[in-house]
Amino acid sequence: QSALTQPRSVSGSPGQSVAISCTGTSSDVGRYDYVSWYQQHPGKAPKLMIYDVSKRPSGVPDRFSGSKSGNTASLTISGLQAEDEADYYCCSYAGSRTLIFGGGTKLTVL
Amino acid sequence: EVQLVESGGGLVQPGGSLRLSCAASGFTFSNYWMSWVRQAPGKGLEWVANVKQDGSERYYVDSVKGRFTISRDNAKNSLYLLMNSLRVEDTAVYYCARPRETFGVDPFDYWGQGTLVTVSS
Repeated sequence: QSALTQPRSVSGSPGQSVAISCTGTSSDVGRYDYVSWYQQHPGKAPKLMIYDVSKRPSGVPDRFSGSKSGNTASLTISGLQAEDEADYYCCSYAGSRTLIFGGGTKLTVL
Repeated sequence: EVQLVESGGGLVQPGGSLRLSCAASGFTFSNYWMSWVRQAPGKGLEWVANVKQDGSERYYVDSVKGRFTISRDNAKNSLYLLMNSLRVEDTAVYYCARPRETFGVDPFDYWGQGTLVTVSS
């Protein structure tokens, strides 16, 4: 049950697009279309941004999008805004009612 | 309004025990799987355990199997995590989390504010 692999940090300027990758294995990300993404600001609880690979909960801007290819899922944020600066975590269903998170990525808006 | 309020965290010595509680309100608690997710200081999120609506199924991350027990009391709208044989590496903020749909274990659309557990001598 090793954590999914995410880059430790990414950055972009306001208005640009950034992508955050999340690499798992054929037992989790590659096997199930149940990848979700969470945004977490310092000292706050995580917030669901994407679920089932590419679905957005109501209230999440359409600047946030998700995709998956093989064992790697990705979160893309377009039109970066200052308030997007946060930590982002991917999460995948891993079978037998268990879940596995990624190590997290710190997004810096320059 | 959905609310999840954790309590029971604190300082405990290695090898000690602690029981966390999560009081749920604003939704039909008995309809949902529920989970505990933790976050060590400065580290990432880690799913810890979940429990089925009626308590008949429980699942754990390998690192806590045999030491932690998740349970629930639907009459009290409460979720619990009994933590025994605590280790320094169990130090974390523990979140109670609810999934979006009644049929799934995740994704989590509601989280509590977290309760800090510190294991230290």
